[in-house]
Order: sequence, then structure tokens, then C-alpha cells
Amino acid sequence: GQQLNQSPQSMFIQEGEDVSMNCTSSSIFNTWLWYKQDPGEGPVLLIALYKAGELTSNGRLTAQFGITRKDSFLNISASIPSDVGIYFCAGQRETSGSRLTFGEGTQLTVNP
Amino acid sequence: GAVVSQHPSWVICKSGTSVKIECRSLDFQATTMFWYRQFPKQSLMLMATSNEGSKATYEQGVEKDKFLINHASLTLSTLTVTSAHPEDSSFYICSASSRGAGYGYTFGSGTRLTVV
Repeated sequence: GQQLNQSPQSMFIQEGEDVSMNCTSSSIFNTWLWYKQDPGEGPVLLIALYKAGELTSNGRLTAQFGITRKDSFLNISASIPSDVGIYFCAGQRETSGSRLTFGEGTQLTVNP
Repeated sequence: GAVVSQHPSWVICKSGTSVKIECRSLDFQATTMFWYRQFPKQSLMLMATSNEGSKATYEQGVEKDKFLINHASLTLSTLTVTSAHPEDSSFYICSASSRGAGYGYTFGSGTRLTVV
């Protein structure tokens, strides 16, 4: 199918806790992207990864491009209430040109 | 930088009418634009890819005569839902990519279409 395997589907955490989510595929990817989507809005890019093994941070967010090029993870440290939303991984497959494949999303709930 | 504006943000139309959604890249030239459809609590599903000046490439199962895509300039793409039916009600989102600009894929804010 068109989607990546993203887990977990949902997470309920306390404010201040760290969060980790990941995406895996049987296909090789050239690019991994992580997005956050708020209700009624389009996805907003959090982190872009372009090279196998690359580890990139954006504030409290850290993401890595798996060395096998088939997976990626996103970590959020010291979560805050505004981290609530749906997080999507997306990848550009080696064989699909510029088209992106999306994960199913991780719904994050942060309790104050 | 890398702002994509999508308009309208929501629209309600009657069955049988057509609706046009615009997607503009405001501060960069988008060599490629993508149109997605998203149902509640689901992921984004790619409908079509359009390159400026050429015909759009539609994903399997997407009716090209129903979802007309025009990408006449490097900053504007439009999606027209023709003869809309209630089952076309959904959240439509565009994204734009600029080759070599390192912008990744920037998304518009989406359009909520309701067909009554």
C-alpha cells in the first residue's frame, strides 16, 4: 500500500515526559520527513532528514534517518501541552520520484 | 520562507456543482505541487502530482475527469471537484515542493469541502 508503518497509533502521557515514535518500511527511502498536524490544519514540517544515519534536532525534537534507510524515529523531550496533535512520518521512496508516502499517524495527548 | 497558501479554507456546495480550490506558493517557485485527500482520523492520501506546464499524474483509483488539476504557473495550482457529490466531502490539502531549495514539502492549511 501507500502507507508506512507508524507506531504507536496513540499515546497518552503526562507533561514533562519524553515521547518516542517511529516509522518502518520494507522499502528504501531517500528522504524522511516528520510533520505535526493540528485539527483542521495542514501538516507542518518539523524535521527533514536527507541522509542515512543523519540525526537532527529542532528544539525539543530529535529525529533520525535509519542507517538501513528503511526507518526513522522522532523523539520529543520534556513534553508540554501544546505538543498535542497528530504526528506523521513521511518518506520519499527511492522508486517513487518526488511523491511522498505517509505513515498512519500518532495521536499524542499530553495531560497537564 | 516556504509558505503555501490554500483557499478557501472551507466551502459548502450543493450536489452537482463544481468547486475550485487554489494552492499558491507565496515565496518560492513550486516546481511540483501535490494534492491530498484526508478523511477524519486517517492519514493523507495522495491524489495527484502536478508539474508546472504539464498534465497532472493521478494516483490509481482517482478519477481525473472528476478532480481536475491545473498547474499553469510556478506559484499556482488549482483543484476543481466537478459535479460534486456528498461522498466527495473531505479535507483536501495541497503541498508544494521546490527542487533543490531544501524546503522539503510545504503544505497548505487545507480546505474542508462539504457537499450537501
